[in-house]
Amino acid sequence: AQSVTQLGSHVSVSEGALVLLRCNYSSSVPPYLFWYVQYPNQGLQLLLKYTSAATLVKGINGFEAEFKKSETSFHLTKPSAHMSDAAEYFCAVSYGGSQGNLIFGKGTKLSVKP
Amino acid sequence: SAVISQKPSRDICQRGTSLTIQCQVDSQVTMMFWYRQQPGQSLTLIATANQGSEATYESGFVIDKFPISRPNLTFSTLTVSNMSPEDSSIYLCSVETLSGGAETQYFGPGTRLLVL
Repeated sequence: AQSVTQLGSHVSVSEGALVLLRCNYSSSVPPYLFWYVQYPNQGLQLLLKYTSAATLVKGINGFEAEFKKSETSFHLTKPSAHMSDAAEYFCAVSYGGSQGNLIFGKGTKLSVKP
Repeated sequence: SAVISQKPSRDICQRGTSLTIQCQVDSQVTMMFWYRQQPGQSLTLIATANQGSEATYESGFVIDKFPISRPNLTFSTLTVSNMSPEDSSIYLCSVETLSGGAETQYFGPGTRLLVL
């Protein structure tokens, strides 16, 4: 079965430091890839997505992610963390088509220390 | 994207009762979905809400427990029936649109349910 693995359920960085949240998927077929962010007491917001165009994808709030087929990875990065980035981040994959075939990772909670 | 609203935003309910959650989207969409996010967990798809026909449920979810309505292309409801404390979760609806060459799901703000 297809799966998504997010390494590290909790990541803590200092304000201004690099943010790196890891996501690996299991598939021999390149999927569509998504990162969603969930701020405390809110729903999910789409951060960015990869849809087989450019491998480096830029999203909102200064985040970006790079699709690396050879590593089956789609890690999320931000050069300089801000306090407002503290949230839970979910990686998800789909393989095209509809019917809600989004497969979510377990999420990574990002803490930002002053 | 789409603007999605859910009612209620949160509720505290007694076991054995039922709660109906509403999801409204600001444009017509073909695909609407209902997810559950249990405490500390990721999202699990409950069902696909089909307009004009019965919802399609994922393994482990049944219509008697989670009846769903989809009367038109902008609205859906999910009922959590005969609730128990194990039903305490965040319930999210999502809609799917074609965006940037891929089907993309956008989520509502969620309904936080606590069952006592």
